[in-house]
Amino acid sequence: DAGVTQSPTHLIKTRGQQVTLRCSPKSGHDTVSWYQQALGQGPQFIFQYYEEEERQRGNFPDRFSGHQYPNYSSELNVNALLLGDSALYLCASSALAGGETQYFGPGTRLLVL
Amino acid sequence: ELKVEQNPLFLSMQEGKNYTIYCNYSTTSDRLYWYRQDPGKSLESLFVLLSNGAVKQEGRLMASLDTKARLSTLHITAAVHDLSATYFCAVSHNYGQNFVFGPGTRLSVLP
Repeated sequence: DAGVTQSPTHLIKTRGQQVTLRCSPKSGHDTVSWYQQALGQGPQFIFQYYEEEERQRGNFPDRFSGHQYPNYSSELNVNALLLGDSALYLCASSALAGGETQYFGPGTRLLVL
Repeated sequence: ELKVEQNPLFLSMQEGKNYTIYCNYSTTSDRLYWYRQDPGKSLESLFVLLSNGAVKQEGRLMASLDTKARLSTLHITAAVHDLSATYFCAVSHNYGQNFVFGPGTRLSVLP
């Protein structure tokens, strides 16, 4: 059983560009959450998707958007990249049916130059 | 606004010693989680604590939850070098809709 997968593993962009990160949840999971983890800090919640809808959103600007597909996979899009967007982006999946923990993917390390 | 604090933020301990990491959170939450992160790696789930008084143990790690005090502890027994990592606690609102992580405790176990 494959766990949570993310692509790409590493990415280098320049300021002002746009980026799309992808996530496939663990088998049997229908909920996907995205987090940004800056170096030396804890993960910061960006948003969560369930049934192809954004269910909850953290304190991130509209430059951060997402999408969930019918097969539960998800994308995170970031527009107009800033240097401060450089971070590890983590995707986590869970089953909405309560009591389930989130399982994290390996992350995508984004560097904005 | 839900806030999560951990202390200590850095912990250096000798093998064989015991120690406790503390996690405080500011408002009522419905679940508390402990995760481990090795350098450059993703997060590994350790424990999920659902109710007041919950205690879970795995190997040399034991986690407990006091919802009245809004406090969780992660106790390390007879530390070994393999436990060196960063440990995060996280709490959730609305049954998993919003996770808030603490800043992490960077643990280093010295021989």
